[in-house]
Amino acid sequence: DGGITQSPKYLFRKEGQNVTLSCEQNLNHDAMYWYRQDPGQGLRLIYYSQIVNDFQKGDIAEGYSVSREKKESFPLTVTSAQKNPTAFYLCASSIQGTTNEKLFFGSGTQLSVL
Amino acid sequence: AQSVSQHNHHVILSEAASLELGCNYSYGGTVNLFWYVQYPGQHLQLLLKYFSGDPLVKGIKGFEAEFIKSKFSFNLRKPSVQWSDTAEYFCAVTSDSGTYKYIFGTGTRLKVLA
Repeated sequence: DGGITQSPKYLFRKEGQNVTLSCEQNLNHDAMYWYRQDPGQGLRLIYYSQIVNDFQKGDIAEGYSVSREKKESFPLTVTSAQKNPTAFYLCASSIQGTTNEKLFFGSGTQLSVL
Repeated sequence: AQSVSQHNHHVILSEAASLELGCNYSYGGTVNLFWYVQYPGQHLQLLLKYFSGDPLVKGIKGFEAEFIKSKFSFNLRKPSVQWSDTAEYFCAVTSDSGTYKYIFGTGTRLKVLA
């Protein structure tokens, strides 16, 4: 089955620790996205990438970093600089430039601070 | 900067009642508009989308939305809701700038009482 796989489902971070959330897709999509979902705030864009080896900051990129070395993979690192990391993180991918354009979402990772 | 506003944060309806959820966006150029739905315990999925043409678009499960350019709105409607429509609904927009950057609203939690 084609889709987006996020791991782990639950993740706990200690103070001062960097953690990395995995996102893999086998849909052959060029574009990939990371969103943060907090209650009452909807989905806020952290980073997005339209092509391998290129990515752009979203609206809340501070304290996060990403890489896009392969088309299939778009890992997100939550650094110690992110002071309020507890949230539900969603990865998505999309076809671009056609009327078939839409986002496909993963099942998410819940990150909590110990 | 683009933004999306959803004014109804929580909506409670009885089965068979009519539904209208508001969505307004701010962007002066050409936009593509989407409604996504997140059922309890499930991935976010596309409900319907507008790219061009007929401003009244129909989606899955009897939902429809009307694009009113003069009002910068894309309201979601359903004539008669069912208990299974209980979910969180998100409006989203991308622009014609070529960045394929999806911006989401804060979401509306709908609860349908049986």
